[in-house]
Amino acid sequence: DIVMTQSPDSLAVSLGERATINCKSSQSVLYSSNNKNYLAWYQQKPGQPPKLLIYWASTRESGVPDRFSGSGSGTDFALTISSLQAEDVAVYYCQQYYSTLIYTFGQGTKLEIK
Amino acid sequence: QVHLVQSGAEVKMPGASVKVSCKASGYTFTNYIIHWVRQAPGQGLEWMGWINTGNGNTKYSQKFQGRVTITRDTSASTVYMEVSSLRSEDTAIYYCARVAAAGIVGWFDPWGQGSLVTVSS
Repeated sequence: DIVMTQSPDSLAVSLGERATINCKSSQSVLYSSNNKNYLAWYQQKPGQPPKLLIYWASTRESGVPDRFSGSGSGTDFALTISSLQAEDVAVYYCQQYYSTLIYTFGQGTKLEIK
Repeated sequence: QVHLVQSGAEVKMPGASVKVSCKASGYTFTNYIIHWVRQAPGQGLEWMGWINTGNGNTKYSQKFQGRVTITRDTSASTVYMEVSSLRSEDTAIYYCARVAAAGIVGWFDPWGQGSLVTVSS
C-alpha cells in the first residue's frame, strides 16, 4: 500500500502569515500517461466531515478561497495557505487515489493560530 | 444538489454487528463509486473500502477484510456498510463519501454527515 506521511503533525501560525503543510508518499502518485498527480487535500473542522480543497495536487475545488494552493509532483507535495485566517483553523489531510484499489490518507496536520 | 445522508448513531455491545446506511440523492446513483472512511475519537481518517454501485463490486482495506461488508440497494439509492464482531476499537464516526467524478478513480466529494458507532458493554 502507498503510505502517506504528513509533516508537521501540528503547526501554529500567526494570522496573516503563510502556513505550509507537507505530504510525502511512499511511491510516486504521478501517472505518466496523463501527467497527473493523484493527490487530494481535505480540511476538517471539529464536528464536521472533511471538505475537499484540492485535487490533482494543485487544482482548487470550486468555492475554495484562492489563499489555498497545492504544489508538488511525484512523491512530495505541499498545501500552502498564503495568509492565514481564523477560519482556517482545522486539521488538514492529504490523500492518494493513484492506487485505484486501495486509498490512503496522511495522518493529518493540526493547524492552529499562534 | 448531490447529498449523502447517513443513518443515526448506534450503541452496540462487543461482539455484535452494526449496519450503517448512506442514502444518495441528486445524481444517478449507479454512476459513482462510494467509499467508507472511519475516524476514531481524536484520530485521523482511515479508509475502509468501496463499492461500485453499478455492478456491486467491492474492495476492502486489508485491515477490515472479512469483518466489513459493503452492499448497495439500487432501488433505494442506498449503500450499506456492516461491521461484525465489534470491539471497543471500532468506536468511531463512520463516513460515506462519493467519488467526485464518474468512474473508478478520484477524490471524495461529497461526504455524508457521519454516523457515530459506540461499542461498549
